[in-house]
Amino acid sequence: DTGVSQDPRHKITKRGQNVTFRCDPISEHNRLYWYRQTLGQGPEFLTYFQNEAQLEKSRLLSDRFSAERPKGSFSTLEIQRTEQGDSAMYLCASSLPNQPQHFGDGTRLSIL
Amino acid sequence: EDQVTQSPEALRLQEGESSSLNCSYTVSGLRGLFWYRQDPGKGPEFLFTLYSAGEEKEKERLKATLTKKESFLHITAPKPEDSATYLCAVQIQGAQKLVFGQGTRLTINP
Repeated sequence: DTGVSQDPRHKITKRGQNVTFRCDPISEHNRLYWYRQTLGQGPEFLTYFQNEAQLEKSRLLSDRFSAERPKGSFSTLEIQRTEQGDSAMYLCASSLPNQPQHFGDGTRLSIL
Repeated sequence: EDQVTQSPEALRLQEGESSSLNCSYTVSGLRGLFWYRQDPGKGPEFLFTLYSAGEEKEKERLKATLTKKESFLHITAPKPEDSATYLCAVQIQGAQKLVFGQGTRLTINP
């Protein structure tokens, strides 16, 4: 049983650069979620897709953040003009309707 | 505003010493309460879902219970491999997102 896969596992970049993360959900899961987690805190919701439609977005998702899920399969999260405060673990989760969300192991972003 | 508070922030136990972790919540309408386990450098791993007050779920040495204001995760005779951060999250009626607490970091000493 393949779980949620995220790539890369770690990303180090300079402030001001753009970064893109990829998430491959569990196959047949039509719901996909992005969260952000900083050290010592629980994950914070960013956005939610049902199939290819982005249905819910947090106020945390500023104009510099954009997420896509073309064809309702994998998803990408892009951060433009990165800032120090963007350093965090970015977690992806997927689920079937009315079922628990299952998480990947995240992409750890470090901004120099 | 929907809020989830977990206590204690950190807990150290000796192997075999039973205890409970608390999750208090204030939400407009609860759809479900979830417990996850998170190991360092890993994503949260699903443990339990609870939907209504009085409900209980068990898995090995863990038992989760739910009231109208809080949930408890009871750990019986823990082993060192139970060391992890335990996260509580709520799902609000009409929404898909989970709102997480800050977690309880549990350490079991051999």
